[in-house]
Amino acid sequence: KAGVTQTPRYLIKTRGQQVTLSCSPISGHRSVSWYQQTPGQGLQFLFEYFSETQRNKGNFPGRFSGRQFSNSRSEMNVSTLELGDSALYLCASSLSDRVYEQYFGPGTRLTVT
Amino acid sequence: AQTVTQSQPEMSVQEAETVTLSCTYDTSESNYYLFWYKQPPSRQMILVIRQEAYKQQNATENRFSVNFQKAAKSFSLKISDSQLGDTAMYFCAFMKRGGGTSYGKLTFGQGTILTVHP
Repeated sequence: KAGVTQTPRYLIKTRGQQVTLSCSPISGHRSVSWYQQTPGQGLQFLFEYFSETQRNKGNFPGRFSGRQFSNSRSEMNVSTLELGDSALYLCASSLSDRVYEQYFGPGTRLTVT
Repeated sequence: AQTVTQSQPEMSVQEAETVTLSCTYDTSESNYYLFWYKQPPSRQMILVIRQEAYKQQNATENRFSVNFQKAAKSFSLKISDSQLGDTAMYFCAFMKRGGGTSYGKLTFGQGTILTVHP
């Protein structure tokens, strides 16, 4: 079974631009969570989607948004990029009845210049 | 809100020896899960071991075992017979059991860099 895939793996953007990151969960997994990893703040939860609905959200500004499609693939969008948004963005998927068992993707490294 | 603290930024161990990584957490919840994740230089986060708070028995997965002290809110990871491939950043994490604000949310500690020397 294929693992969680994230595209692109690396991205360089300029301050003020917007970016969209994609996450394809493991087949059969309907829950997708997103995390931001930075050296200063560590790993922080962004949001979780299940059946196209956002069920949970972390403490991030409204510039961070996401969505989930009917095939469970998820995207996250960051608008008006700031230098501090430079980070590794990880997504994780899980089965609907085992949301505690998260399988992570390799991450997207976003650099904002 | 839950917090997870890993007080050891870096640890090192010789190959084949045993090492213990520490983690403490703070929560008012009674039902939750605790985890240790490993993130090697490749960045792929891998689940090492999971403990359910209602289970008194400490979880074990091959060379990895935990010492779960619920009253003390302590959750340490012991790695036996350390191997070079164990070199990675190790994160302790917490997830509240149930719905609402627990959905899909792992709360992580700051991590411990473990280096296994040959």
